[in-house]
Amino acid sequence: DAKTTQPPSMDCAEGRAANLPCNHSTISGNEYVYWYRQIHSQGPQYIIHGLKNNETNEMASLIITEDRKSSTLILPHATLRDTAVYYCIVRSFSGTYKYIFGTGTRLKVLA
Amino acid sequence: DAGVIQSPRHEVTEMGQEVTLRCKPISGHDYLFWYRQTMMRGLELLIYFNNNVPIDDSGMPEDRFSAKMPNASFSTLKIQPSEPRDSAVYFCASSVGDEGNQPQHFGDGTRLSIL
Repeated sequence: DAKTTQPPSMDCAEGRAANLPCNHSTISGNEYVYWYRQIHSQGPQYIIHGLKNNETNEMASLIITEDRKSSTLILPHATLRDTAVYYCIVRSFSGTYKYIFGTGTRLKVLA
Repeated sequence: DAGVIQSPRHEVTEMGQEVTLRCKPISGHDYLFWYRQTMMRGLELLIYFNNNVPIDDSGMPEDRFSAKMPNASFSTLKIQPSEPRDSAVYFCASSVGDEGNQPQHFGDGTRLSIL
């Protein structure tokens, strides 16, 4: 699976959009980009995933560049409850089934 | 809908004791995963099952660790004998299907402390 690179930490003002970047320059054509977050003392929570096209759900939007070498998770109106560690994961379409969690981005939403 | 349920949430025991962690996956999910999270190593996959059959146990650290899935709604991870370095948070996750576009859903984990 491709490796991902994320900034170690970010701050965001409450009510503003939080844009979390991820680089995955060695991604293969059949590999999905997944985003999870982990709030203290809880298990990782699935947010969104995509292959080529941008995706949106009730939690967030995922923007994937045309060359697929990077992506951005957007939380449109961050709240204090969005404070968490956000993990970007690249996962193969078939074969090994492993998520390889990196160190993630620690997002702090400020009041 | 009920998510993945793990028990106990916290376990403190002395070195050398047997520890059993339990997991109930989401109903209808045919894949089950056990992970371990530590500050030093982050989240690591230990083993996963498909239709109750272990598929890949290459992440299991030692023979002291064993996992079973006797039926579709229950799995255990056992450590015998336990050691202080086994202290970690252990997560169970489940998913449906074997396509790369199926997300895994995690439980809230068991925080294990071996004294």
